[in-house]
Amino acid sequence: GAGVSQTPSNKVTEKGKYVELRCDPISGHTALYWYRQSLGQGPEFLIYFQGTGAADDSGLPNDRFFAVRPEGSVSTLKIQRTERGDSAVYLCASSHGPGYEQYFGPGTRLTVT
Amino acid sequence: AQSVTQLDSHVSVSEGTPVLLRCNYSSSYSPSLFWYVQHPNKGLQLLLKYTSAATLVKGINGFEAEFKKSETSFHLTKPSAHMSDAAEYFCVVSMNTGFQKLVFGTGTRLLVSP
Repeated sequence: GAGVSQTPSNKVTEKGKYVELRCDPISGHTALYWYRQSLGQGPEFLIYFQGTGAADDSGLPNDRFFAVRPEGSVSTLKIQRTERGDSAVYLCASSHGPGYEQYFGPGTRLTVT
Repeated sequence: AQSVTQLDSHVSVSEGTPVLLRCNYSSSYSPSLFWYVQHPNKGLQLLLKYTSAATLVKGINGFEAEFKKSETSFHLTKPSAHMSDAAEYFCVVSMNTGFQKLVFGTGTRLLVSP
């Protein structure tokens, strides 16, 4: 079956612009996670959804970052007023529920110039 | 708070020789530990996981890891490296937050030469 997909695969934007990153989880997975991987580092947790609600957003770095999952499937990570420090690979994962194996997408590489 | 330390940023081996990727963890209680692999332009893939059952855990592609509480270690091994094993490997600990909030190490890049 299809895995987790993320679009776009690459995004280049100018400092100060707004961007949206999309994640399509595996069909039927109720849990969805966003991580950020900076160059030379391991992924860092951003936010976790169970269904439509954000159950834990403690990893979001500041209020410029926001994520939604309105119908409990596709999720969008939104970044306002982008900064060069936001440049990273943004990873999405989904699972059958809390405590189940997380399946990762290929990521979106965001470059802020 | 849980954390993991991967002791080597790069490991180089020859094809057919053993692989050892080292990981030490810090946890205030019995942890869940994982190894993930990341091939270029592909998603992270779970290799194996330890969740307080057998201390020797077997994973995919011939990899295994041993949980040693006395040494707070969870090293990843494979008896014989294959060229396709070249990738980035992450040691991961799970925080007990009601869901698997994964905390990743900084990664070890495995290089396999012919």
